[in-house]
Amino acid sequence: NAGVTQTPKFQVLKTGQSMTLQCAQDMNHNSMYWYRQDPGMGLRLIYYSASEGTTDKGEVPNGYNVSRLNKREFSLRLESAAPSQTSVYFCASSEGYSDNQPQHFGDGTRLSIL
Amino acid sequence: GDSVTQMEGPVTLSEEAFLTINCTYTATGYPSLFWYVQYPGEGLQLLLKATKADDKGSNKGFEATYRKETTSFHLEKGSVQVSDSAVYFCALSDPYSGAGSYQLTFGKGTKLSVIP
Repeated sequence: NAGVTQTPKFQVLKTGQSMTLQCAQDMNHNSMYWYRQDPGMGLRLIYYSASEGTTDKGEVPNGYNVSRLNKREFSLRLESAAPSQTSVYFCASSEGYSDNQPQHFGDGTRLSIL
Repeated sequence: GDSVTQMEGPVTLSEEAFLTINCTYTATGYPSLFWYVQYPGEGLQLLLKATKADDKGSNKGFEATYRKETTSFHLEKGSVQVSDSAVYFCALSDPYSGAGSYQLTFGKGTKLSVIP
């Protein structure tokens, strides 16, 4: 009963390095999301994918790119990491058919940029 | 735009005390409302939800009632346990926001610590 799986769980990068965070869901959900969580800021949406083949910017997309590889997988890429991108990143998925369906979250990736 | 405001923490309670975490919202349409809980080192889990006015969501002894007249969705529990220590997030999904894909708008979270 995996739900939403994120890899890696922890990562330390140097400024300027690139990295891809992976996310996969096994619930046959249509919509997937990437958030970042910072102290005192709650969760902020980076990018989302309403359905396979589509992606859109959220509240804080600068410095990130995403790929909806297939219905199951949605990756987040940092092309040139900056210390301001130190955060905990969460992937989520939902059925996407109505507003009353909850999102299901992974356990997060804790990313530090030195 | 849509927004969610919840009481700032941290909140510290003794075991068996009554819990209230206030949440108010602003939305374009008639949103669905959610409470999520985040235990240390984990992702967010859905705690309860309500999809229309006067609905009451409940789970694990927690309750929240969708109050359209006061645009509120306060979380309550009659007797908290040490195991309830976590961060609680209020959130809404507004089908009329135009944002697409039923995005969630979150409050900033309230950290609850329950001491024996």
